[in-house]
Amino acid sequence: AQSVTQPDIHITVSEGASLELRCNYSYGATPYLFWYVQSPGQGLQLLLKYFSGDTLVQGIKGFEAEFKRSQSSFNLRKPSVHWSDAAEYFCAVGEGRGDDKIIFGKGTRLHILP
Amino acid sequence: KAGVTQTPRYLIKTRGQQVTLSCSPISGHRSVSWYQQTPGQGLQFLFEYFSETQRNKGNFPGRFSGRQFSNSRSEMNVSTLELGDSALYLCASSHGTSGPQETQYFGPGTRLLVL
Repeated sequence: AQSVTQPDIHITVSEGASLELRCNYSYGATPYLFWYVQSPGQGLQLLLKYFSGDTLVQGIKGFEAEFKRSQSSFNLRKPSVHWSDAAEYFCAVGEGRGDDKIIFGKGTRLHILP
Repeated sequence: KAGVTQTPRYLIKTRGQQVTLSCSPISGHRSVSWYQQTPGQGLQFLFEYFSETQRNKGNFPGRFSGRQFSNSRSEMNVSTLELGDSALYLCASSHGTSGPQETQYFGPGTRLLVL
């Protein structure tokens, strides 16, 4: 069965510092992978997604993620965080047909220090 | 283009009651998926409707049901509410063609509190 693991429940970084959020997945075939962000009281917003091709994916708000098949990972990165990036981040894997059924990780809450 | 809308945004019910939540997808989208979000279980897939038919289903009891209308609007119903049903219910819409260009767009959610 598919699963997604986000090892860090909370992460705190200083504003302007770089960020990396970890995500590991379990899936037999080539997965569809996603990162979503959820601000307090809001729904989910898609940051980026990977289906195939280039393993380095660019997303919105300056985020990028790298798919590493050998490590079953899809880590999210940002070179310099802003206070507005404080939110909860979810990594997710989609079933073979696409993103109509998505399995989410438990999320990583990002805190930003001024 | 208007986003995904969900009504109501907040709801308080008591155990044993039933509740109906509504989701209006982005115009032109034919697929609507429902998710339950709780602090303990996180985000869990409930079901997906495409062109008025349930196409996919998660592991939830039969008390959770849904339907989709010809205009793609979807409703989710929970009967005989339990305390554990307290959650944020999110719906997401997409074209439903499952191609690489597909993206799910989420609504703001309905927060249900069961007392």
